[in-house]
Order: sequence, then structure tokens, then C-alpha cells
Amino acid sequence: DGGITQSPKYLFRKEGQNVTLSCEQNLNHDAMYWYRQDPGQGLRLIYYSQIVNDFQKGDIAEGYSVSREKKESFPLTVTSAQKNPTAFYLCASGQRDTQYFGPGTRLTVL
Amino acid sequence: GIQVEQSPPDLILQEGANSTLRCNFSDSVNNLQWFHQNPWGQLINLFYIPSGTKQNGRLSATTVATERYSLLYISSSQTTDSGVYFCAVERRSNYQLIWGAGTKLIIKP
Repeated sequence: DGGITQSPKYLFRKEGQNVTLSCEQNLNHDAMYWYRQDPGQGLRLIYYSQIVNDFQKGDIAEGYSVSREKKESFPLTVTSAQKNPTAFYLCASGQRDTQYFGPGTRLTVL
Repeated sequence: GIQVEQSPPDLILQEGANSTLRCNFSDSVNNLQWFHQNPWGQLINLFYIPSGTKQNGRLSATTVATERYSLLYISSSQTTDSGVYFCAVERRSNYQLIWGAGTKLIIKP
């Protein structure tokens, strides 16, 4: 099946730890995106990548890092520098007129 | 920066009712999209609609770019329509999407 997968679905982290969220797509899309969603709010862009080995900061990149070594994969690392990381994280791929979203990862910092 | 405001924030309707959701934006944009997020968090794109009107089954959308608003119409609501409806506009300067806070729709059987 074609689509976007994210793992894990739920993630718990202790303060001070880095964690990496996985995002994989087999839709052959060049562009991939990471968004953060907080309760009752819309999505905010963390990072995006329009091509392999290149990525750009979004509006809230501080405390996050990404890599794009393969077209299919765009992992997001939430570092200890992110002051309030508890949120729902969504990965997407696609073009300007259509973005396809993964099922999301719910990160909780204990 | 661009402000995107959606109204109403919450809407509760009986099955079979019609509804209109509104999205206002504060500046000129490249395009506008409507999304639906189901209660489990899955987001899907409903419409890419920089201007004009589009229809897809019971859903239709209209964007009046010169007046900076868009409307999403849902007719004959079903319980599966429940969830949060977002509009997102594409910033002219860097093509990034700016999202509204959403309208939470609950359809009661």
C-alpha cells in the first residue's frame, strides 16, 4: 500500500533526553514536512525538505533537528533544548496543492 | 505575519443538517486548502481552492480571494463528518502553509 507511516504512535520521554520520530513515505514525493499540533490549535511547521540532502527551517525549528539522506525518509529529532516538547507530531509529503499526512506520533514528556 | 481565523470554533449538529464553516485570512495568499482531521488525528486534504468554487459529493468550498475569505459547506451531515476542519493558506513569500485553529464539528445521530 502507498502512504506515509510514522512510528512510534505514542512516545514517552524523560526530561533531558533526545528522541527521534520516524517518518517514511513510498509515494515518491520529493517534498516532506514536519508539523507540531498542540491541543485546540492548528498545525505549525517545524522543518521541511524539498529534495534529498536539503531541508529548511519552519516557524518553530528551535529545539528540533532533521535529516534527509533518502527520498523516502525524513526523521525528526526532538532535542533536550526543546522546552515544551509534549505535543502531537505530524509528518506529511506531497506537492503544494496536496499534502498527504501520516497518522502522527503523540509525544509526552514525563 | 498572516492571520488565519476560523469560525465558529465549535459546532454541534444533528445528522442530516447543513453547515457552513468560514475561514478569514489577513493578507494576500498563493492558495488556500481545507483539511479534515478525524477524532483519531488523521488529516486528509479536502480541497485545494485558491479561488472560485469546487464541489466533492456533499462538500463544497468557495474562496473569494479579493475579500480574503473561504467557506466550506457540508450538506446532509453524517456522523462520520465529525472531527476538526482546518483551513490553511500558503504564504506568498516562502510557500509555507499557515493554519487556522480549526472548527470542531460534532454530528449527533
